[in-house]
Amino acid sequence: AQTVTQSQPEMSVQEAETVTLSCTYDTSESDYYLFWYKQPPSRQMILVIRQEAYKQQNATENRFSVNFQKAAKSFSLKISDSQLGDAAMYFCAYRDSNYQLIWGAGTKLIIKP
Amino acid sequence: GAVVSQHPSRVICKSGTSVKIECRSLDFQATTMFWYRQFPKQSLMLMATSNEGSKATYEQGVEKDKFLINHASLTLSTLTVTSAHPEDSSFYICSARDRAGAGSYEQYFGPGTRLTVT
Repeated sequence: AQTVTQSQPEMSVQEAETVTLSCTYDTSESDYYLFWYKQPPSRQMILVIRQEAYKQQNATENRFSVNFQKAAKSFSLKISDSQLGDAAMYFCAYRDSNYQLIWGAGTKLIIKP
Repeated sequence: GAVVSQHPSRVICKSGTSVKIECRSLDFQATTMFWYRQFPKQSLMLMATSNEGSKATYEQGVEKDKFLINHASLTLSTLTVTSAHPEDSSFYICSARDRAGAGSYEQYFGPGTRLTVT
């Protein structure tokens, strides 16, 4: 069975600085999707970025980018120029062949003004 | 973009009563809807997967007779918590998968429902 591990329960970063959130996963599948979701205090889940495993190029969405290392089964999220609005819980997720999402435990990101 | 609504956003009910939570895809047809439960400061726990017109598939440990799921149309799924007890108090989130199109690999999430059982 697939598993997703986020080893950082909490991270903090100074506003305008860069922070990297870690995620590792385990799977025997070769084709899959990986996601980073943001859950602010409102608790609405917001998709931050997605990565298709067969694509070698790392996904980028404005200030958000990933470092996808397929062989190492690592999928970290880099947030550049951190803003106060980035403060939230961040969840890494793996989509299995049944379209179900396997979730990491989450990382709480604190932005220091 | 794809929008999923949930109603109610908050509900308080007495122990022993039943409560229904609705999940609607507003601007797309949802082949599949997912129901999650989230405890404070924890990740999402998948409760069940429902496909339109068929019975829901429940995850291990989830009581199907207690958490009734109906997915009668491509835009509506309901979760009914029957004979609710205080331990059922939680945050319930639904998500929907687009039937077709470029977003077919993505789940769109509702805003969640806070259930409190007194």
